[in-house]
Amino acid sequence: EAQVTQNPRYLITVTGKKLTVTCSQNMNHEYMSWYRQDPGLGLRQIYYSMNVEVTDKGDVPEGYKVSRKEKRNFPLILESPSPNQTSLYFCASSPYDAGRTDTQYFGPGTRLTVL
Amino acid sequence: AQKITQTQPGMFVQEKEAVTLDCTYDTSDPSYGLFWYKQPSSGEMIFLIYQGSYDQQNATEGRYSLNFQKARKSANLVISASQLGDSAMYFCAMRGLNTGFQKLVFGTGTRLLVSP
Repeated sequence: EAQVTQNPRYLITVTGKKLTVTCSQNMNHEYMSWYRQDPGLGLRQIYYSMNVEVTDKGDVPEGYKVSRKEKRNFPLILESPSPNQTSLYFCASSPYDAGRTDTQYFGPGTRLTVL
Repeated sequence: AQKITQTQPGMFVQEKEAVTLDCTYDTSDPSYGLFWYKQPSSGEMIFLIYQGSYDQQNATEGRYSLNFQKARKSANLVISASQLGDSAMYFCAMRGLNTGFQKLVFGTGTRLLVSP
């Protein structure tokens, strides 16, 4: 089954404790992206990756890091989480040459609470 | 820059009636795509329908149709014969040529509640 998986699905942590949210896709997609969703703001892009070892900032990259060492994985790293990073996080993937008609495939979401 | 505006924070509709969720957009891209997603209370993002900026006809997918008015820059979602399971958050989104079609820009969403 074609899918994007994220782990963990739920996480409660404390300020300053480094954490990683994993994202993996089994569709051999080149493009992967992270979004955060906050009430009243919709989804905003954090980082994206066009392929292995190619990443770039989205609209709200502060406080986050990413890496793309393998095509299927795109982890999101919070080196020193703060309460304003409490949010619902989505990973998404799509083929690089998708064109306009292809949507992005979303993972199930990770609900992060930073105390 | 691209921007999506959804002016209806919440909408109510009775079961079996039709409902229109508004979406207006702003872009200077000559070519772009418009999407609608449904987010039920479980949280996942479900793709509903797509409209390309050069498509001549309005997109339809089952009970969903997209009322695309290019000159007005609007892309409203019409849900016919609403069902209780349609109660959810709905997001309009777009992607354009200038961002390589790889970035989705989302609106703030409309929460739809379908009553029996």
